[in-house]
Amino acid sequence: AQSVTQLGSHVSVSEGALVLLRCNYSSSVPPYLFWYVQYPNQGLQLLLKYTSAATLVKGINGFEAEFKKSETSFHLTKPSAHMSDAAEYFCAVSVGTGNQFYFGTGTSLTVIP
Amino acid sequence: GAVVSQHPSWVICKSGTSVKIECRSLDFQATTMFWYRQFPKQSLMLMATSNEGSKATYEQGVEKDKFLINHASLTLSTLTVTSAHPEDSSFYICSARGQGAGYNEQFFGPGTRLTVL
Repeated sequence: AQSVTQLGSHVSVSEGALVLLRCNYSSSVPPYLFWYVQYPNQGLQLLLKYTSAATLVKGINGFEAEFKKSETSFHLTKPSAHMSDAAEYFCAVSVGTGNQFYFGTGTSLTVIP
Repeated sequence: GAVVSQHPSWVICKSGTSVKIECRSLDFQATTMFWYRQFPKQSLMLMATSNEGSKATYEQGVEKDKFLINHASLTLSTLTVTSAHPEDSSFYICSARGQGAGYNEQFFGPGTRLTVL
């Protein structure tokens, strides 16, 4: 079975500080991994995805994530937080022919000016 | 590219009425569409998977007679909430997957806020 765990339902960082959002996955087969951002009352916007190519994935808005198989992790980072980064972030795993997504419970990011 | 739209973006209805939500892939053909429900401050819960031209597959605990899904074409899927009640109030999000082997990415619509009075 596949699952995703996001540690920390709420993360607060100061503007300009490092952003680190944690995601660990469980999968019996090589997974596809995704990070999405959701702003209030909006759908999900893809930040980046891992599809078995490079383990360090760069996404939009300065975000990146590193796939670490040994740690079953796919943590999201950004060197310098911006006020506009305040949102809800979801990690998701997809495997198999059904391409069903399994979402984490989300992490709410607050950026303090 | 890969834009998914939903209509309406929000709807308010009276208890007992039915509401239809449309999900369209605007610039690609979607063989599979997914419907999710999201409660405030919670993650997305997959309700059903719909493949064009066939019956939808519902997740455990989701009433198929309550949430009717139709995927009549490669660009349109509809979710009808029948005899809606206040507990059906939620944020409904659809996503679409394009054609092609190994195509794992889903593209999400902007969501529909349903409020049942």
